[in-house]
Amino acid sequence: GAGVSQSPRYKVAKRGQDVALRCDPISGHVSLFWYQQALGQGPEFLTYFQNEAQLDKSGLPSDRFFAERPEGSVSTLKIQRTQQEDSAVYLCASSLASSTGTGTNYGYTFGSGTRLTVV
Amino acid sequence: KQEVTQIPAALSVPEGENLVLNCSFTDSAIYNLQWFRQDPGKGLTSLLLIQSSQREQTSGRLNASLDKSSGRSTLYIAASQPGDSATYLCAVRQMDSSYKLIFGSGTRLLVRP
Repeated sequence: GAGVSQSPRYKVAKRGQDVALRCDPISGHVSLFWYQQALGQGPEFLTYFQNEAQLDKSGLPSDRFFAERPEGSVSTLKIQRTQQEDSAVYLCASSLASSTGTGTNYGYTFGSGTRLTVV
Repeated sequence: KQEVTQIPAALSVPEGENLVLNCSFTDSAIYNLQWFRQDPGKGLTSLLLIQSSQREQTSGRLNASLDKSSGRSTLYIAASQPGDSATYLCAVRQMDSSYKLIFGSGTRLLVRP
């Protein structure tokens, strides 16, 4: 598609419920990122995929968070047993380039995010 | 650990004013710095990207500068318009992590008609 698409736009979950957030990156984009943005804060890195390989998951806050990108395109971020502190906007971004370090301009395209509210 | 700070947190100006948004970072070993705009309920739109070897970038009414040695960047908006109202975020990419962006908390700008 023309941009990065995320669904659902809004999700209200009861504490303890499992949720799954979907990201459709731009077709052909190699790299995919998930960020978490708490209210009034900047986005914080969660995890990074290069094609189907999850190369960095250092930002995932706990083992309740799990992300996958099985075919190197669509990605799903799953949060198990949601807690109130998980309430945030979850942003997905994709990039045509891979993480090759220097020489990579690295243009990111962000989706509109999923706003998760845990009650 | 890299920390990115943006001042002010919020800014309200009348239409037509020129304004400056500030971004500072603690670790000068950056690969590049990027300014984004975020509208309510929307994703981030990249405005300007400055490589570590560059001093400034310009796009239309926007000009971003980078002083890597002092850990500072500014975003200058000329002749502000109500449509410029949004949150402006700066983000750095570290030399040792070529893909991860580290964001500041943003400056919420309101341009009053």
